[in-house]
Amino acid sequence: QKEVEQDPGPLSVPEGAIVSLNCTYSNSAFQYFMWYRQYSRKGPELLMYTYSSGNKEDGRFTAQVDKSSKYISLFIRDSQPSDSATYLCAMRGSWGKLQFGAGTQVVVTP
Amino acid sequence: NAGVTQTPKFRILKIGQSMTLQCAQDMNHNYMYWYRQDPGMGLKLIYYSVGAGITDKGEVPNGYNVSRSTTEDFPLRLELAAPSQTSVYFCASSYSSGREDEQFFGPGTRLTVL
Repeated sequence: QKEVEQDPGPLSVPEGAIVSLNCTYSNSAFQYFMWYRQYSRKGPELLMYTYSSGNKEDGRFTAQVDKSSKYISLFIRDSQPSDSATYLCAMRGSWGKLQFGAGTQVVVTP
Repeated sequence: NAGVTQTPKFRILKIGQSMTLQCAQDMNHNYMYWYRQDPGMGLKLIYYSVGAGITDKGEVPNGYNVSRSTTEDFPLRLELAAPSQTSVYFCASSYSSGREDEQFFGPGTRLTVL
């Protein structure tokens, strides 16, 4: 079993729709949960960061962590074509080492 | 600040050749990491360093070596390149491994081994 599971998509939505992304993980020791956005042929950039369980909102983006279910989510409201990218979930282990999901490709069509 | 820089951007190697992927950061970060990303896959950690002179293996270290002689530079060495090492390589850095410390990624090096 992979430590972090993420559906690779692609996920295609019309502009203005809500994008819902999620990951499951197996290691209950993870405390820090991140979402990275990666545009084609670019390096990942940090989008959202959450510590332990709960919700975090930043503009159109909301990250949720449910540690009891080992499940994390990212919601993008009012999606824009510029949101088209691959979204990677990541969990931080010891020494800052990141464990990534496979990434979900999102396509927002005008 | 240039952030995290990587050279070269692209490289094609023949089986059995060697090369060094360069990574440098100008943010005075202590922690540096090398990841590889295969098509349709997430990033996997190859090696990491918590400071000059200190390195350790990640999840997929076989076929690679690293050194960290300065805070700024963290080169990744491939000896005897194999087709399985065809991938995109990302270097990242952070100030520490603390709660608020973000890892900044470089633009990547695309390597093909034929």
